[in-house]
This record gives sequence, structure tokens and C-alpha cells, in this order.
Amino acid sequence: GAGVSQSPSNKVTEKGKDVELRCDPISGHTALYWYRQRLGQGLEFLIYFQGNSAPDKSGLPSDRFSAERTGESVSTLTIQRTQQEDSAVYLCASSLEGGGNTEAFFGQGTRLTVV
Amino acid sequence: GENVEQHPSTLSVQEGDSAVIKCTYSDSASNYFPWYKQELGKRPQLIIDIRSNVGEKKDQRIAVTLNKTAKHFSLHITETQPEDSAVYFCAAGSGGSNYKLTFGKGTLLTVNP
Repeated sequence: GAGVSQSPSNKVTEKGKDVELRCDPISGHTALYWYRQRLGQGLEFLIYFQGNSAPDKSGLPSDRFSAERTGESVSTLTIQRTQQEDSAVYLCASSLEGGGNTEAFFGQGTRLTVV
Repeated sequence: GENVEQHPSTLSVQEGDSAVIKCTYSDSASNYFPWYKQELGKRPQLIIDIRSNVGEKKDQRIAVTLNKTAKHFSLHITETQPEDSAVYFCAAGSGGSNYKLTFGKGTLLTVNP
């Protein structure tokens, strides 16, 4: 596609429910990042996928958070038993692998509201 | 792993003045340093980047400088305009075969007309 696409763009869920967020990276991009951005705050790193390497999960805040990526395509971020503090915009970004042009392109984000 | 510190967290300037945002990084192997601008309610977008074989790069009113010895890089915006108001993020790319971008926490720049 033309850019990184995320869905849904907005999600309102009840506390305790599970949610799944989707990211479609730019075709051919082997690197994929998930970030969380609370209102007025910076980018909080969650997880990073790079090709067939083991993902870097060091940013996941708790075991309620998990993410998967199928090959070099779609990624899903799952939040189980959502809490109000999970409310934020979840941003996905993708980039080409290593050296050369390594610009990260961001999706428009999913705004998650837990009520 | 890499750690990127960004300062200041907020910056307010008068229209026409210059603005400078500074970042430091910890991994001496980092070799790519992009800057992103995020306008209110929008996604971050690349505005300028610099690679480790270059000390300075300029694009119209924005410039980035890199000091590899001191492991810091800076964004300079001259003749600021209200439309420059946004959050700016620096990042450092490193990791060899497992290349990864690490972002700073961001700087909220407000340009007062």
C-alpha cells in the first residue's frame, strides 16, 4: 500500500475486555515497531520486529500486552483485560532493514479509550 | 541497548526567533539520526536526518548537527513560524544486523505569534 495502515482508527472498550489492534506495514519493510503515546506524552516503545529475528519485547508494560507478526506483513497488538491506564494512541511504524534508507514511516494510530 | 535523551521537554519561542533541541545517545555504534515532527492529532513525520559520516546538514530553515565524539546531535530551526509549533522527536539508529531506531521522549515547541 501507499503507507502504513492501522485499524481501527478509534476503539472504545469496557474495562476488562480484550482488544486487538492491527498494523499493515509498507510492503517490503522488514522492521515494524509499536509505540504507545499517552495524551501529551512522548513515544513509549512497546515491541520491535525485524525480519525473522526474535522480537524485542522489552517495552511491553505487562503480560497483558502481546504482539504477533506474520512474516514481514501484518502485525497485531493484543491487550488483554484492558485497564483505564491503557487508554492512549497506539502507533505502528515500519522501515526497511538496516543501513541505507532507514526512515521509519508511521501509521495514523489507533486511539484506544477504556471506559 | 541504546538510550536517547532529549531536552528540553517543552520550548516556547517568539515568532522569528531560533529554536534548538538537543539529544544525546549512548551507543557509539549508532549511525543514523532522524528527526520527526508530530503536529497535533497527526502521525510523526520525518523532517530531516543525518548519518554518522556527516557533521551538519541543512534544509531551508532547519538544520541538524552531529558530534559523534560527544554523542550528541541537535535540531536547529531558524526564523520560526507558528506552523513550526509541534512535538519534535529525535531518534538514533543502531544495532548492526538487528537494526533498531530508538526515540527520545519529544519536545513540545510552541511558536508564539
